[in-house]
Amino acid sequence: QVQLVQSGADMKEPGASVKVSCKASGFTFSSYYMHWVRQAPGQGLEWLGVVNPSGDSTTYAEKLQGRVTMTRDTSTSTVYMELSSLRSEDTAVYYCARHQLDHWGQGTLVTVSS
Amino acid sequence: DVVMTQSPLSLPVTLGQPASISCRSSQSLVYSDGNSYLNWFQQRPGQSPRRLIYKVSNRDSGVPDRFSGSGSGTDFTLKISRVEAEDVGVYYCMQGTQWPYTFGQGTKLEIK
Repeated sequence: QVQLVQSGADMKEPGASVKVSCKASGFTFSSYYMHWVRQAPGQGLEWLGVVNPSGDSTTYAEKLQGRVTMTRDTSTSTVYMELSSLRSEDTAVYYCARHQLDHWGQGTLVTVSS
Repeated sequence: DVVMTQSPLSLPVTLGQPASISCRSSQSLVYSDGNSYLNWFQQRPGQSPRRLIYKVSNRDSGVPDRFSGSGSGTDFTLKISRVEAEDVGVYYCMQGTQWPYTFGQGTKLEIK
């Protein structure tokens, strides 16, 4: 069965960077676009971006341009999302999801606080 | 970007009664392949979102048949024929026709 297992919760100070991982299994990882979505506390869902199956092309939400980097490692079936220059507003649960968001990871809480 | 607008934002429903959520997009969701990539998600308290419906009206595997999706162009609806206690949560529509994907604000379904 399709599984997406994300890294654990993380706490960072403002200005730092965070890197969240998402390990896939149960499907041909190299054939699927992979997306990232976040959800601030008590808020709705916000799409962050996508990385193509080969990992050589990404599309990011305009508001995160310049601060977010999405990569993937086909050898380990893992996709990564790195967010830099963290602000308090980046505090959220971050989810990875397969193409058309048909399967989701369990979420990773990233807390930005001094 | 495509703006997705849901209504109502709060939906109190009596157990066993039907429920309906509307979702409108700011532009047509028809893709060049003729499909409309309008998805519906359920998020139960404390859980990750789960996709219920894809391409307007197709139920995902394991989704009860009391859930149905309909619509076309810019106007879409999610219906629950008879609400059960396990349906409590927030429902989101999302367009996957173009990047950036965009979500509706969410509709919170609760039992009266």
